[in-house]
Amino acid sequence: QKEVEQDPGPLSVPEGAIVSLNCTYSNSAFQYFMWYRQYSRKGPELLMYTYSSGNKEDGRFTAQVDKSSKYISLFIRDSQPSDSATYLCAMSGLTGANNLFFGTGTRLTVIP
Amino acid sequence: DVKVTQSSRYLVKRTGEKVFLECVQDMDHENMFWYRQDPGLGLRLIYFSYDVKMKEKGDIPEGYSVSREKKERFSLILESASTNQTSMYLCASIHRGRGQETQYFGPGTRLLVL
Repeated sequence: QKEVEQDPGPLSVPEGAIVSLNCTYSNSAFQYFMWYRQYSRKGPELLMYTYSSGNKEDGRFTAQVDKSSKYISLFIRDSQPSDSATYLCAMSGLTGANNLFFGTGTRLTVIP
Repeated sequence: DVKVTQSSRYLVKRTGEKVFLECVQDMDHENMFWYRQDPGLGLRLIYFSYDVKMKEKGDIPEGYSVSREKKERFSLILESASTNQTSMYLCASIHRGRGQETQYFGPGTRLLVL
């Protein structure tokens, strides 16, 4: 079983839709959870960072962590064509850990 | 802004060639990483370094070596390139601040080995 599972998609939605991206994980020691956005042929860029359980909102983006279910989500409101990218979840355990565990990424296309 | 740069965006090499990929970060980060990214496999850690001249193997170090002679620079070396090393290579470094710790990535090097 992989440490982190992520549906690869692809996912296509119309402009303005609410998008929900999800990852599940198996290691209960994970405490730091991240979402990266990766445009085609570019490196991943950090989008959201959360520690432990709860929600975090930044503009149209909301990250949600449910540690009891080992499940994290990224919601995108009012999706735009510029949101079309691959979204990677990542997580790690204790501070100072030298490794992140990544999902394989979900490819999202927002259709104008 | 954290800046991580990689020496090449695209490279084409022949089987058996020695390949150098270079990564530079300008934020005085101690920890630097090399990943490869392949469709369906996601990001896999090759090597990381937590200080000058220090290195640790990641999940898939075979066929690779690294060099960290200066804090800002972390090089990945393919001693004898093979076709199964065709991939997207991503360098990253860790930023620590305000109780937050996360990796910032370079733009990637797309390597094709013929």
